[in-house]
Amino acid sequence: GENVEQHPSTLSVQEGDSAVIKCTYSDSASNYFPWYKQELGKRPQLIIDIRSNVGEKKDQRIAVTLNKTAKHFSLHITETQPEDSAVYFCAASIRYGGSQGNLIFGKGTKLSVKP
Amino acid sequence: EAQVTQNPRYLITVTGKKLTVTCSQNMNHEYMSWYRQDPGLGLRQIYYSMNVEVTDKGDVPEGYKVSRKEKRNFPLILESPSPNQTSLYFCASSLFQHNEQFFGPGTRLTVL
Repeated sequence: GENVEQHPSTLSVQEGDSAVIKCTYSDSASNYFPWYKQELGKRPQLIIDIRSNVGEKKDQRIAVTLNKTAKHFSLHITETQPEDSAVYFCAASIRYGGSQGNLIFGKGTKLSVKP
Repeated sequence: EAQVTQNPRYLITVTGKKLTVTCSQNMNHEYMSWYRQDPGLGLRQIYYSMNVEVTDKGDVPEGYKVSRKEKRNFPLILESPSPNQTSLYFCASSLFQHNEQFFGPGTRLTVL
């Protein structure tokens, strides 16, 4: 079936360093790629998303890049802070029967930022 | 306040006893979706709805039913719950299918 692979599963960085999380997807028709952040005990919240007609998108310290040819996209967090510690999920829209309403999530990356 | 609400927040039940988890949003969103979250497996989509009376299967629909009779409500029904449906369930909504999804607070379900 359709699949989204996310790496690494855990990532530990020093405060101020950069963090990169990578995802690959299998459906070449996927056209929407959101990233969600989930703090411990809380609900997921969107931090950034990108559509297939764009190669890169930035929002302050967060950026996402998309390589449609290679079918992978990445989340980049610069100047990490302790409050960036959370689980991050990537996702890709999947086409079933002509609909693009499905979202397949990666298994998540637990990011720890050490002061 | 714009929000997605779910009820109940916690539920312990027994195998085979039908249950419904309600989900409601007050943002006039067209798209609604149910996910289950299990350790090490991330978020898996159960069912989604593009609009009233339009529902479709997600990645793991077996053992679940949904309905979308009104725009604001999207209940999740477990006709005969089994222990492998023990999980944390999230409802989410967005204006359209490829927009920011707003998640509810989650429902922790235990099936004994």
